Amino acid sequence: AQSVAQPEDQVNVAEGNPLTVKCTYSVSGNPYLFWYVQYPNRGLQFLLKYITGDNLVKGSYGFEAEFNKSQTSFHLKKPSALVSDSALYFCAVRTTGGFKTIFGAGTRLFVKA
Amino acid sequence: NAGVTQTPKFQVLKTGQSMTLQCAQDMNHNSMYWYRQDPGMGLRLIYYSASEGTTDKGEVPNGYNVSRLNKREFSLRLESAAPSQTSVYFCASSEGRGGFNEQFFGPGTRLTVL
Repeated sequence: AQSVAQPEDQVNVAEGNPLTVKCTYSVSGNPYLFWYVQYPNRGLQFLLKYITGDNLVKGSYGFEAEFNKSQTSFHLKKPSALVSDSALYFCAVRTTGGFKTIFGAGTRLFVKA
Repeated sequence: NAGVTQTPKFQVLKTGQSMTLQCAQDMNHNSMYWYRQDPGMGLRLIYYSASEGTTDKGEVPNGYNVSRLNKREFSLRLESAAPSQTSVYFCASSEGRGGFNEQFFGPGTRLTVL
């Protein structure tokens, strides 16, 4: 079955420290991977995507993600966290053989000043 | 450029009542989607439409119907609301038809069914 897993419900980091939000996936064929962010009472906003090419993808607001095919992972990273990065983050993968995107359950990021 | 708009923002229904959630996008996107968001479960696809005139079921279609009225509008109807349909509903759109592109989301509709 095709799936996306975000193993951490919550990640806590101090402002200025690097952050990582983890994501692993299971799809057949080449994956199309996405990260979205959701602020309170808002819809999801696109951060970045991996389709092909470099394993390190750069996106909005200083975020980047590292694609690792052997570990089937697509972890979201930022070198220096800001309090304003506190939000709910979703990893997503396009399923092969269809037009659908599967979303992970989400990871809540808290950045403490 | 308003992006994706949804109405209403909030709604309270009694069990058995019906309602339609409206969604419109002004980005000339081919694909549109309806999701529901429940705590700890991420987003689950209810229905999607790869182009005007076509609709397909997602993960959780039971109890819902959709209409792709034209390229801009994609509505979601609850014929007989149940408490299990209490959720936050998001509409989204994307370019193309293959699901390869990022989705743009509306602000959501918070629905409570009593």
